[in-house]
Amino acid sequence: QVQLQESGPGLVKPSGTLSLTCAVSGGSISSSNWWSWVRQPPGKGLEWIGEIYHSGSTNYNPSLKSRVTISVDKSKNQFSLKLSSVTAADTAVYYCARVMWELAEDWFDPWGQGTLVTVSS
Amino acid sequence: SSELTQDPAVSVALGQTVRITCQGDSLRSYYASWYQQKPGQAPVLVIYGKNNRPSGIPDRFSGSSSGNTASLTITGAQAEDEADYYCNSRDSSGNNWVFGGGTKLTVL
Repeated sequence: QVQLQESGPGLVKPSGTLSLTCAVSGGSISSSNWWSWVRQPPGKGLEWIGEIYHSGSTNYNPSLKSRVTISVDKSKNQFSLKLSSVTAADTAVYYCARVMWELAEDWFDPWGQGTLVTVSS
Repeated sequence: SSELTQDPAVSVALGQTVRITCQGDSLRSYYASWYQQKPGQAPVLVIYGKNNRPSGIPDRFSGSSSGNTASLTITGAQAEDEADYYCNSRDSSGNNWVFGGGTKLTVL
């Protein structure tokens, strides 16, 4: 079955750019699915960041849109997140997830294990 | 509106039935999906679509929807069901996603 694994630096300096990659195994990123990023600040709830289709089409959370770029690398079967101008408020566990769909409904499954990114000098 | 509202905390006696609710305008157009999250773990899908359970999810979990409210029901709650539960759906535009704030379920 499809498995997702996030990777990237665990520490980013304020005003810098957070960069993460999600490797997809057990399936193709070129399948008919969107691929998404979700984050969770310590002790808080889930926040959707954005999603990408293998064609490169993207949707972003309006509250983060000016700072977010999501890209796909079909040759490596992975997709990536860049979040610029980070502050301490961007400290969170970052998850990647596949968006499944059926009969005009969609949902997140599976999720990666998550990776903690701390913004600190 | 692009928000989903959940009660912050709910408790249930072992073996009893509990309903966790999620309210939002987008639920008039889209079914909610539900995720269980235990401490230190990634969310796990428990209900999707009208009322579908992924393989491996016990049949004590069920979902329903009416108007702008979606519900997750656990019939015969077990100790291992103690967790945070999040609802989510597409927003009214259909292009973005929204999550509820989460409900912490305590099994007494």
